[in-house]
Amino acid sequence: EPEVTQTPSHQVTQMGQEVILRCVPISNHLYFYWYRQILGQKVEFLVSFYNNEISEKSEIFDDQFSVERPDGSNFTLKIRSTKLEDSAMYFCASSPSNRNEKLFFGSGTQLSVL
Amino acid sequence: GENVEQHPSTLSVQEGDSAVIKCTYSDSASNYFPWYKQELGKRPQLIIDIRSNVGEKKDQRIAVTLNKTAKHFSLHITETQPEDSAVYFCAAAASGAGSYQLTFGKGTKLSVIP
Repeated sequence: EPEVTQTPSHQVTQMGQEVILRCVPISNHLYFYWYRQILGQKVEFLVSFYNNEISEKSEIFDDQFSVERPDGSNFTLKIRSTKLEDSAMYFCASSPSNRNEKLFFGSGTQLSVL
Repeated sequence: GENVEQHPSTLSVQEGDSAVIKCTYSDSASNYFPWYKQELGKRPQLIIDIRSNVGEKKDQRIAVTLNKTAKHFSLHITETQPEDSAVYFCAAAASGAGSYQLTFGKGTKLSVIP
C-alpha cells in the first residue's frame, strides 16, 4: 500500500536555526498538508497546499514557516528561525481528491529545538 | 472556527468488552467526521469516517454514529482486542465549504486489558 514518507524521523536543532522537513506524498494525491502535534496535545493544522500554492493556513503558520513543492514528488516545510515552542512532531499528509477527506499521514518528524 | 471536544481522555476496558469514545463539535457547517487511530510512535491512520448525510456507519467491529442536531458523534468498538490499544482521535471538517483543514479532538488513550 502506498505511504506518505517523511525525512528525517528526528531532527535536533539549536534555537534560531533553519530546518527543512521533507515529505514525499502519495504519487497520485492532489492535496498536501502539514500538521503538528506537541507532546501530549492534539494534532493541529498548519497549512494545506493544492495546485502549487497554499490554499489555507492556520494562525500557527506565521512568516517563519514556508512550504514548497520543488519537484513533482517532494513537499517541504521550512522553519526559518526555530523557537523552543516549535518543538513538536510534524506530520505531512496527502489526500487524493476532496480537500480534507481521506487524509493519509506520514510517520512524522520529531523536531527538538534546544 | 471549529472546536472539537473529545471524551474520555483515557479509557480502560477488558478484552472482549465494548469501548465508546464521544466527540462534540461547534461548527454547524462541519459535514465530515473521520476517526484516526495512532499507535505508540506511529502515524495516525484513518479507521472510519462518516459524512453528515448518514447517521451511522459500521465496519466490522467499528461503528460511528452522528447526531447533527446535537453536534456530537461517537466511535464504538465492540469485542475489543489488545491490538485495539492506541490513541484515538476524532476530527471534524467542513468539506467542500472553502476549508481545507481537519480540526482534531485531544485524543483518547484506549487500553484493552487482556
